[in-house]
Amino acid sequence: DAGVTQSPTHLIKTRGQQVTLRCSPKSGHDTVSWYQQALGQGPQFIFQYYEEEERQRGNFPDRFSGHQFPNYSSELNVNALLLGDSALYLCASSFMTGAGNTIYFGEGSWLTVV
Amino acid sequence: GIQVEQSPPDLILQEGANSTLRCNFSDSVNNLQWFHQNPWGQLINLFYIPSGTKQNGRLSATTVATERYSLLYISSSQTTDSGVYFCAIGGATNKLIFGTGTLLAVQP
Repeated sequence: DAGVTQSPTHLIKTRGQQVTLRCSPKSGHDTVSWYQQALGQGPQFIFQYYEEEERQRGNFPDRFSGHQFPNYSSELNVNALLLGDSALYLCASSFMTGAGNTIYFGEGSWLTVV
Repeated sequence: GIQVEQSPPDLILQEGANSTLRCNFSDSVNNLQWFHQNPWGQLINLFYIPSGTKQNGRLSATTVATERYSLLYISSSQTTDSGVYFCAIGGATNKLIFGTGTLLAVQP
């Protein structure tokens, strides 16, 4: 049973560029959420996708966008990168129905903006 | 919104010692999970425990929902237990709000 997989694991981008991060949820899960974790802090919720639509959004600007595909995999896009976007980006996988169930995280994508 | 506070912020133990980590939250929740984040950033789910008590090997957790706190117990700690422990709270939609974490260092 494959867990949550994310790619790439590490990447370096230049300020102003755009980046796309990818996530495949745990087998059977239909909901993908993205989190940003800055150094020394807890993860912060960016948004959640279910049935190919954004269902919830945290306090992040429109530069952060996403997509969910019919196979439930998801992408996170960040445009016009800022130095402050440097962080660990985590993908979380779960079921939408049955509120309050176990949520699984991928290993994350380490983004450095220079 | 829901506030999540964890204590202590840092903890240093000798191998074999026991410890208790605490998570206080400000509102009723449908979802409470404890995670261990290893030095490589991987968040490992330890317990899904919105109420009651669970045990898994040397780890156990108790949540008293009516008093809005949860405790994570680590017994006979090992160096591999080092890392950051997060408590995360969720409502009905599986959006998690994380605490600030407890940084645990277990020394041999």
